[in-house]
Parts: sequence; C-alpha cells; structure tokens
Amino acid sequence: QSVLTQPPSASGTPGQRVTIPCSGSTANIGSKNVNWYQHLPGMAPKLLIHTNDQRPSGVPDRFSASKSGTSASLAISGLQSEDEADYYCGAWDNSLSVYLLGTGTKVTVL
Amino acid sequence: EVQLVESGGELVQPGGSLRLSCVVSGFSLTDHWMSWVRQAPGKGLEWVANMNEHGSQTYYVDSVKGRFTISRDIAKNSLFLQMNSLRGEDTAVYHCVKSIGGSGTSWGQGTLVTVSS
Repeated sequence: QSVLTQPPSASGTPGQRVTIPCSGSTANIGSKNVNWYQHLPGMAPKLLIHTNDQRPSGVPDRFSASKSGTSASLAISGLQSEDEADYYCGAWDNSLSVYLLGTGTKVTVL
Repeated sequence: EVQLVESGGELVQPGGSLRLSCVVSGFSLTDHWMSWVRQAPGKGLEWVANMNEHGSQTYYVDSVKGRFTISRDIAKNSLFLQMNSLRGEDTAVYHCVKSIGGSGTSWGQGTLVTVSS
C-alpha cells in the first residue's frame, strides 16, 4: 500500500523554526484533508492539526501547517524543548480506502 | 470528558487469537468513526482498521485483512478488535482512536500485544 513519506528526523535549537514535509499522491493528500499528530514518549498521540491547517483549541500557535498539491508540511516556530516528539501526517486514501499515516519524523531540540 | 480505555493485550503464541476492547465515555460510538492504530516496537504508527458511525462500513490495512475484525457493542460503549492467526509482526501497542480523520480526534493510551512462542 502507498505511504505518506516524511524525513526520519529533524532538529533545531531552541527558538528556531523547523519544517516537516509530508509527500503523498493525488489519491490522498492531493484530494483529501491532511491531519498532523504529535506523539510524545510514553503518551497517547495527540491531534495537532486537522483539515490541512486548522489548530484544535489548546494547541499553541507555534504550530502551523499547509498543503499544496500532493504535499503538506508542518512548521514549528520558536522551537521549545517540550516539542521533542515524533510527528506524523495522516490522510484518507481514496483509491485504497485506507487511512494512511506518514512514516514519522522525530524532532530533536539540540 | 472524552476517554478511551483499551484492554485485552497480552502475550500470545503465533497462530493464536486475541480480542482487544476499548471502552469509551464522553461520546457515543454512533456519532463518530472509530479506528485501531498500532505501533510496533521501534516503528511508526500504523492505521489498522476503521468503522463508520453507523457500523455499516469497515476498512482494514492489507496486512490484517481476513485475520482481524473490528466491531462494537453500543450498549456497552465498547469497540473491539478480534485478532486471529496472529503473527510476530502483529506485536505492537494497539490504540483505539475516535475520529482519526476529523477535528475531534482522541486517542487511548493503548494496550500491548506480544506475539511470541
């Protein structure tokens, strides 16, 4: 089955901006909404962004996302130590009728 | 408050069966799509199965089709995952998820399934 591709890692120093890309196809990102999840060690994953660029209440505005064509990206501005986590994009795939989760990106705060 | 509490994970031999449960509170299963998502040791999250709010549509990742079945009991506010013919690669923490593709996504803490002889 097809996947949503993310780089395995990303890093930055406190205060920097980090961007995480997510690459898909016309069957998923190109035609469906993209969501982003944050997974802190030992915790349940948490919804960070829904419907491409919408932040649920309680999510800091340091987190933003966008989508263009068959790609999406998550940006973390003003990186903080508590942002060290794994980040996943997700989208429904129309042709496979499955919910795809990205390969995941581990963010490290140097 | 929305809560999802999984149970049923344990050590099982290859070829064995297991039934996972997810008891929910703070919302109705008839109002939301529900999913199971797993994470194998050292690996990323993998979506496993979905059921729509009416209970009339179910979807599965290819690797579990014919082996896993998602179901629910509305009266018991419970979602289930029946897992048969278990393999080593099914070893993972299994999370119950509300509305994975929507704005009100909530995740349970997960239950550990270990398939080993």
